[in-house]
Formats: sequence, structure tokens, C-alpha cells
Amino acid sequence: EAQVTQNPRYLITVTGKKLTVTCSQNMNHEYMSWYRQDPGLGLRQIYYSMNVEVTDKGDVPEGYKVSRKEKRNFPLILESPSPNQTSLYFCASSVREWSTDTQYFGPGTRLTVL
Amino acid sequence: GENVEQHPSTLSVQEGDSAVIKCTYSDSASNYFPWYKQELGKRPQLIIDIRSNVGEKKDQRIAVTLNKTAKHFSLHITETQPEDSAVYFCAASRGGSYIPTFGRGTSLIVHP
Repeated sequence: EAQVTQNPRYLITVTGKKLTVTCSQNMNHEYMSWYRQDPGLGLRQIYYSMNVEVTDKGDVPEGYKVSRKEKRNFPLILESPSPNQTSLYFCASSVREWSTDTQYFGPGTRLTVL
Repeated sequence: GENVEQHPSTLSVQEGDSAVIKCTYSDSASNYFPWYKQELGKRPQLIIDIRSNVGEKKDQRIAVTLNKTAKHFSLHITETQPEDSAVYFCAASRGGSYIPTFGRGTSLIVHP
């Protein structure tokens, strides 16, 4: 089954404790990205990757890191989480086709930073 | 970069009525305009999309229109049903090479 998976689905942590949210897709998509969703602000892009070892900042990259060592995986790293990073996070992947950027979203990770 | 404005933020209708959600974009090079539906507690999922070489597209009760000159596109839902209740996001991108920019979302509530 074609899918994007994220782990963990729920996480409560404390300020300053490094964490990683994993994302994996089995559709051989070139593009992967991370979004955060906050009430009234919609989906804001954190980082994206066009291929292995190619990553770039989105609209709200501060406080986050990513890596793309394999095509299928795109982990999101919070080196020193803060309460303003409490949010719902979605990983997404898409295929590079003519005039299409359909995003396939993972199930989401709800993060709370105390 | 691209900027996408979406209105209204909340839309409440009676079952059977039509609903219209409107978006405007700023980048004239954008050529791909998808719409995503996010049910409560679920992930966003694509429901319909339109490319810049097409002015309108329909899929059963939903349709999307695009006005490239005015840089706006709209989602139309006819004969709304309670299961249409969700948050709807529009997006714009230069398809095939770029990552989309999303609107802030519209919460559609369909009252039985």
C-alpha cells in the first residue's frame, strides 16, 4: 500500500530535550516536505527536499533541522524544542510530474513542548 | 515568493445548499492549483486540482474555476451534505518543480 508514515504520532516533551520525528514514504517520490499546522494559520512549510542530499528552507525553518540521506526518509529534528513549537506536524511527499505537485500527507504528529 | 489568500475562514451552510470558497494568488508563474480536504483529526487529502491551461473542472458535486487574469480560483460544492464538513485548503505552485504554498484554510460546517 502506497503511504507516508510518521512516528511518533503523539509526543509530549520538555523544553530543550532534543527530539526527532521520522517520516518515511514507499512511493519513490523525489520531493518531501514538512509542514506545521496551527489554528488560524493553515499549513506552513518548514523545510523541503527535492532529492537525496538536497534540502531547503520553507517559510518557518527556525528551530528545526532536516536531513535526506535516503530517498524514502526525511526526519525532522528539533535540537532544543521550545513551547512555541507545540503544533501538529505533517510530513508530505510528492512526485515530480508535469504541472503536478500533489502532496501525499502522513498521518500527522501532535507535539506538545512543556 | 508566492502568497495565497483564502476566504472565508469559516463557512456555515444548511444541508443541500451550495458552498463557495475563494482563493487569490500572487505569483503569475503558478500553474497548478490543488484543493485539499481535512476532516477532523485526519490528514489533508487532495479532492480536486486544476492546471493553468484549464478554466474549470468538475467532479460530481465539486468544481473548481480558475481566472488567470485576476489570479483567483474557487471551489464550488453543490448539494452539500454533513460529510462535507471539514477544513478545506487551497494551494498554488509552479507544478513539477516547486512546493505549493497553502491558504490558511476554510472551516466548512454543513448543518443537517
